[in-house]
Amino acid sequence: TQLLEQSPQFLSIQEGENLTVYCNSSSVFSSLQWYRQEPGEGPVLLVTVVTGGEVKKLKRLTFQFGDARKDSSLHITAAQPGDTGLYLCAGVYNTDKLIFGTGTRLQVFP
Amino acid sequence: GAVVSQHPSWVICKSGTSVKIECRSLDFQATTMFWYRQFPKQSLMLMATSNEGSKATYEQGVEKDKFLINHASLTLSTLTVTSAHPEDSSFYICSARKWGSEQYFGPGTRLTVT
Repeated sequence: TQLLEQSPQFLSIQEGENLTVYCNSSSVFSSLQWYRQEPGEGPVLLVTVVTGGEVKKLKRLTFQFGDARKDSSLHITAAQPGDTGLYLCAGVYNTDKLIFGTGTRLQVFP
Repeated sequence: GAVVSQHPSWVICKSGTSVKIECRSLDFQATTMFWYRQFPKQSLMLMATSNEGSKATYEQGVEKDKFLINHASLTLSTLTVTSAHPEDSSFYICSARKWGSEQYFGPGTRLTVT
């Protein structure tokens, strides 16, 4: 069974702080995606990383794919209340299937 | 572009009844649609994959006779929860994918079985 473990599970921080979310697996994925989900809505794709060691930036968000393509991290700089949500990593396997990570619930207080 | 809708957005049904959830790709033709289930405070779990005109492929542990999936056209897939029980209460999310692209997720349907 392929598992994607995320840490931390919960994160509660003040506006302006930095944070990092980790996504780890024992399996190798062809690519890995990060999503953000708000309560009562479907997940929204933030980024896809494909190459081992790849780093992608999306404004204040920095995503990194591990060299072995088994792990990834999401770093948020100067978090804002609008960043509050459930962050999910998802590994792509069998060409088109996604296995989602356990999730990290982020709360940013003003 | 790439908008996926679900109907209804929430539904309450009595134990033992069946409920149908629709997933539509509004502005593209989806070669493949996926159905996920999400319990409170948990992540998304893939239930099944459906391709237009063929039988759905169910993940291990998902009862195909309980969760009937029909993918009748390139823009519509339906999930029918048959003989629903309270433990089937969950947030059901579909996604649609056109050839060679990412999955686009619907807004989800919250099912409550009383």
